[in-house]
Amino acid sequence: DSGVTQTPKHLITATGQRVTLRCSPRSGDLSVYWYQQSLDQGLQFLIQYYNGEERAKGNILERFSAQQFPDLHSELNLSSLELGDSALYFCASSVGLAVPGGEQYFGPGTRLTVT
Amino acid sequence: AQSVSQHNHHVILSEAASLELGCNYSYGGTVNLFWYVQYPGQHLQLLLKYFSGDPLVKGIKGFEAEFIKSKFSFNLRKPSVQWSDTAEYFCAASDDKIIFGKGTRLHILP
Repeated sequence: DSGVTQTPKHLITATGQRVTLRCSPRSGDLSVYWYQQSLDQGLQFLIQYYNGEERAKGNILERFSAQQFPDLHSELNLSSLELGDSALYFCASSVGLAVPGGEQYFGPGTRLTVT
Repeated sequence: AQSVSQHNHHVILSEAASLELGCNYSYGGTVNLFWYVQYPGQHLQLLLKYFSGDPLVKGIKGFEAEFIKSKFSFNLRKPSVQWSDTAEYFCAASDDKIIFGKGTRLHILP
């Protein structure tokens, strides 16, 4: 157990819908990262937040947005969903800003299926 | 464009065999390199990382990786694999953003 929690574990929804994925970082970690893992694209970095502020952006679509709240949990919002958005979405956390991919601790992921 | 390539998508070995998983990166400037592992049903875990210094990096569970700058490579090695090493392995590189390779599924036969 990494200490990072994600809810829900599974999510099935229809095209055009909007969903929210939630992540709670390890206690004391200020940085939260979101990743998308799909069969064709592999594991892709989406976005990083540090202490409530956006710090780095990867291949995140405009239909996707994220935020980090004062209690440091984070939410990833996916809207106007398409079939191709079906993937496993991971959240990770780290103590500080760190270089992305340093001492990160990953959550178990949320599997999103868009039908 | 920055990229990370893992040569093998699926590797099958017998226990006690030696392992080498290839990873090549394409980055300008200073790059940090990582190997992550994802055991079946578990979250991603950091195996080892290279930021600077000794190009031979030792990680957990007997894994090591060698950074060869001239070859833009960061191959993962283990002299003798165990059944419990069955997992998916991801190479990654970062400057201010991280890019992962597509992963190599390793299956160890008991």
